[in-house]
Amino acid sequence: DTGVSQNPRHKITKRGQNVTFRCDPISEHNRLYWYRQTLGQGPEFLTYFQNEAQLEKSRLLSDRFSAERPKGSFSTLEIQRTEQGDSAMYLCASSQAGNIQYFGAGTRLSVL
Amino acid sequence: ELKVEQNPLFLSMQEGKNYTIYCNYSTTSDRLYWYRQDPGKSLESLFVLLSNGAVKQEGRLMASLDTKARLSTLHITAAVHDLSATYFCAVVSNSDEKLTFGTGTRLTIIP
Repeated sequence: DTGVSQNPRHKITKRGQNVTFRCDPISEHNRLYWYRQTLGQGPEFLTYFQNEAQLEKSRLLSDRFSAERPKGSFSTLEIQRTEQGDSAMYLCASSQAGNIQYFGAGTRLSVL
Repeated sequence: ELKVEQNPLFLSMQEGKNYTIYCNYSTTSDRLYWYRQDPGKSLESLFVLLSNGAVKQEGRLMASLDTKARLSTLHITAAVHDLSATYFCAVVSNSDEKLTFGTGTRLTIIP
């Protein structure tokens, strides 16, 4: 078990570009979560999946954000037309339902 | 809406001293977590507290939960430099599975 894996670790992009992040959860975990963390703050919930079903989305998740988990394994988070305010650490976590969420190392996004 | 507050936000302690971090939350919850985060790194799970009166200890850290007061504490005993990090509490509401985090407590242990 290698834990939750996120790629890339760092992404620098220009405003208006699209970016996509990938998360590979712990293999036996059926739940997968995305959070966003800005400097000096705690992580904020964005969305989560149970298997391939997206069960909840935060109000923070504007229509420029979309997440998928097509086969109930890895997940992608896409941000279209990035804005400077999107700069943050994007964290992925996985769990068995009702149990501890284990976090990946995150993808740090910088929008110039 | 579930709100989670931690205090203090910043804490500088001398090695060998004891201190407590407080976590208050606004609505009923059946689970509370404590996580540690080192600079530039992800979150490491420390404790999960499931019921009123629950107490967990690991090394110099001890966490407790009072569900009636909606309060959890993280007590640090005889602090050492390796404990310097940011500590977050996070609460799961009874109606869904997302974590709501506090703002974190940045702990610095001074030799």
